[in-house]
Amino acid sequence: EPEVTQTPSHQVTQMGQEVILRCVPISNHLYFYWYRQILGQKVEFLVSFYNNEISEKSEIFDDQFSVERPDGSNFTLKIRSTKLEDSAMYFCASTRDVNQETQYFGPGTRLLVL
Amino acid sequence: AQSVTQLGSHVSVSEGALVLLRCNYSSSVPPYLFWYVQYPNQGLQLLLKYTTGATLVKGINGFEAEFKKSETSFHLTKPSAHMSDAAEYFCAVSKRSNDYKLSFGAGTTVTVRA
Repeated sequence: EPEVTQTPSHQVTQMGQEVILRCVPISNHLYFYWYRQILGQKVEFLVSFYNNEISEKSEIFDDQFSVERPDGSNFTLKIRSTKLEDSAMYFCASTRDVNQETQYFGPGTRLLVL
Repeated sequence: AQSVTQLGSHVSVSEGALVLLRCNYSSSVPPYLFWYVQYPNQGLQLLLKYTTGATLVKGINGFEAEFKKSETSFHLTKPSAHMSDAAEYFCAVSKRSNDYKLSFGAGTTVTVRA
């Protein structure tokens, strides 16, 4: 069964460094999402992406964050200058099309900012 | 704006006992409703969803949930708990529109006693 994959599974970085989290959505999916889950807190929506542009973003998704689909398969989340509070599990998700409401989640990347 | 409330951050049940996880939502219009499960160190897996039609929906692993519009609830049940049901469970909602971003509840951790 097709699945969403994410790399790396774990990343440790120093505060102020840039990180890029990578996701490979299911191949025929067109809508892509990033969520994050700070330890002990609820899963929060960050951004949705369709047709090579952001559809919606939350207030968390400030200028330090960006997303890109650099080729036909990858979907990336970049944090330009990480802060301690960016430490979280980051989940990528995708849906097939506008009429498909079910999001399929990847296993997540655990980011630790020191 | 949509929001989800899960009553009880932790639920402990005996093996073979009923599992009941409560979820209430707030939305200006009836949303799509989901239950996701997260096993330790894994991503989010869809258990079941309600979009339209029959209000009692059955999901994987013997779980089911009932949408009650009058109570704005979508409680999750399983008649007989198994040790493998130990996990964190998230209720989530999305709008019935092109943007299916999910709003999650805080989650309920289920432990199963032998």
